Amino acid sequence: GAGVSQSPRYKVAKRGQDVALRCDPISGHVSLFWYQQALGQGPEFLTYFQNEAQLDKSGLPSDRFFAERPEGSVSTLKIQRTQQEDSAVYLCASRGRTGGYNEQFFGPGTRLTVL
Amino acid sequence: LAKTTQPISMDSYEGQEVNITCSHNNIATNDYITWYQQFPSQGPRFIIQGYKTKVTNEVASLFIPADRKSSTLSLPRVSLSDTAVYYCLVGDGGDDKIIFGKGTRLHILP
Repeated sequence: GAGVSQSPRYKVAKRGQDVALRCDPISGHVSLFWYQQALGQGPEFLTYFQNEAQLDKSGLPSDRFFAERPEGSVSTLKIQRTQQEDSAVYLCASRGRTGGYNEQFFGPGTRLTVL
Repeated sequence: LAKTTQPISMDSYEGQEVNITCSHNNIATNDYITWYQQFPSQGPRFIIQGYKTKVTNEVASLFIPADRKSSTLSLPRVSLSDTAVYYCLVGDGGDDKIIFGKGTRLHILP
């Protein structure tokens, strides 16, 4: 497709369950980002990949959060032992080699609800 | 990354011009000013970027005074579909992550 896609769009999990969120970036985009957006707040950075290398994971809130991009394209954000405070929209963005500074292309997000 | 300050919310009417001002007093020499737009249930969308003076595209205009300590996003003749959250951010792109604030919730009334 032409844009960033994410799946599932909605996920409901029981507290303690593990979840996996998928991101398909724009084809050829080298950089991939994950953000977490709580209700009424702006997105907050979680982690960043350049190709398959995870260059920055400073925003991951705990060691229950894990992201990977093994072949430098699709990425998965995994949350283990989900807690209620993990409920949020998880946004994925990608960026190509051209374009303006800070020009990232965002997907529609996955809304995670932890019961 | 430079901190930005923008109004929490604004209301306007269809057909009006809307101006949203953002303050960034500690902007660095290499920083650009970027605005994103986010509709409900969608990810943010890049709308405009500038360094100084004025930039215009099909969506908006961005006015930046000479001291660059503030900027104004101008949306001409808004419609109901312009109801969204608008984020102002500054950075040089060297720090790859984007730091979003809370943005400005723009509500267009009929």
